[in-house]
Amino acid sequence: EAGVTQFPSHSVIEKGQTVTLRCDPISGHDNLYWYRRVMGKEIKFLLHFVKESKQDESGMPNNRFLAERTGGTYSTLKVQPAELEDSGVYFCASSWGRGDYEQYFGPGTRLTVT
Amino acid sequence: DQQVKQNSPSLSVQEGRISILNCDYTNSMFDYFLWYKKYPAEGPTFLISISSIKDKNEDGRFTVFLNKSAKHLSLHIVPSQPGDSAVYFCAASSYNTDKLIFGTGTRLQVFP
Repeated sequence: EAGVTQFPSHSVIEKGQTVTLRCDPISGHDNLYWYRRVMGKEIKFLLHFVKESKQDESGMPNNRFLAERTGGTYSTLKVQPAELEDSGVYFCASSWGRGDYEQYFGPGTRLTVT
Repeated sequence: DQQVKQNSPSLSVQEGRISILNCDYTNSMFDYFLWYKKYPAEGPTFLISISSIKDKNEDGRFTVFLNKSAKHLSLHIVPSQPGDSAVYFCAASSYNTDKLIFGTGTRLQVFP
């Protein structure tokens, strides 16, 4: 069974540019999450999809971040325009259904904004 | 305000000895706790979990203990092996939300 995949693995962009991160969850997983880890700090929740619907987006930092999940399959996280403080590692995770606490994480996308 | 705290950023243990990683939390609504292990350039991988209705859960060399009154949990690894060297994250969740709240991690180094 394929795990959670993320693309790209690393992205370097200049402040003000746009970047789109992609996540493909494990097949059949209804739940998809985005998290971010900034420079050695805790892994912070960004948002949660159940199928194609946003269940919880309380962790999204501001309106420069836009997440979508097309048809309840893969998800994209767009940052526009990027700021220096957006640098970090963005993790995607997925799980089966409601109440399934065990989440499977992807390898992450390291975003560097210069 | 950090709801899950791992106050030891690093821990060094000799191979074969016990590793004890600690985690404290502040939110009494948390009812499920997990430990994740992370190698460099990889995502966190699930290690072991415990429900708030239990005080201990064991899986091979890994045991998690939960002390609800103290809002404290610990992960015991015995015996420790060099392959256990990684960053360990404590995480918590509550029944009304599926999101995980993570601590800052503890880097464990197991030396021969």
